[in-house]
Amino acid sequence: QQQVKQSPQSLIVQKGGIPIINCAYENTAFDYFPWYQQFPGKGPALLIAIRPDVSEKKEGRFTISFNKSAKQFSLHIMDSQPGDSATYFCAASKGGGGSNYKLTFGKGTLLTVNP
Amino acid sequence: DGGITQSPKYLFRKEGQNVTLSCEQNLNHDAMYWYRQDPGQGLRLIYYSQIVNDFQKGDIAEGYSVSREKKESFPLTVTSAQKNPTAFYLCASSPRTGGGFSQPQHFGDGTRLSIL
Repeated sequence: QQQVKQSPQSLIVQKGGIPIINCAYENTAFDYFPWYQQFPGKGPALLIAIRPDVSEKKEGRFTISFNKSAKQFSLHIMDSQPGDSATYFCAASKGGGGSNYKLTFGKGTLLTVNP
Repeated sequence: DGGITQSPKYLFRKEGQNVTLSCEQNLNHDAMYWYRQDPGQGLRLIYYSQIVNDFQKGDIAEGYSVSREKKESFPLTVTSAQKNPTAFYLCASSPRTGGGFSQPQHFGDGTRLSIL
């Protein structure tokens, strides 16, 4: 059972474009939604994260939009650059102690930004 | 610099052999995690530990074992019972959860395991 569904699988944009990656989740107990960026042969790096008490968070050129009622969140990359070409993963976890706090990942989106 | 160190970067396993992947962190994080990444897949949780001398199975623990004798170390053993071990293995750590809220996880640069 995939609890976090990510789309699209791959995305190609021109430099300066605004790629948008979408994720949908099922578990309403999730309380933390991070995005990770991964380059080939490297571990994922935390890019930006949001909690469900806000609808949008911006850090530099990266913005998360969060729609609690639709159980969806998305990553927008403003003024994309070739150096942004990487695989992006969304994830979700729930707090509350015990066996919680496990991150559930989407399957990733391979972003290519052409010069 | 604080961070997570995984070694070796590449590892080869022979049939019937157990191999151990190292993960060390100097971030003073309480929690540590092991994930497996396959091409075109997200990360799947193998084992995690919230505190020294305690760990829990993740979603795909069969064929793997771990120990957590020290706060900074969380080695993963891929046993001969794991029939499809070829994958990219990632270790992560996070601060102790506070106020019941999840904390960000930080990753090492992985170990790529292949079968000879």
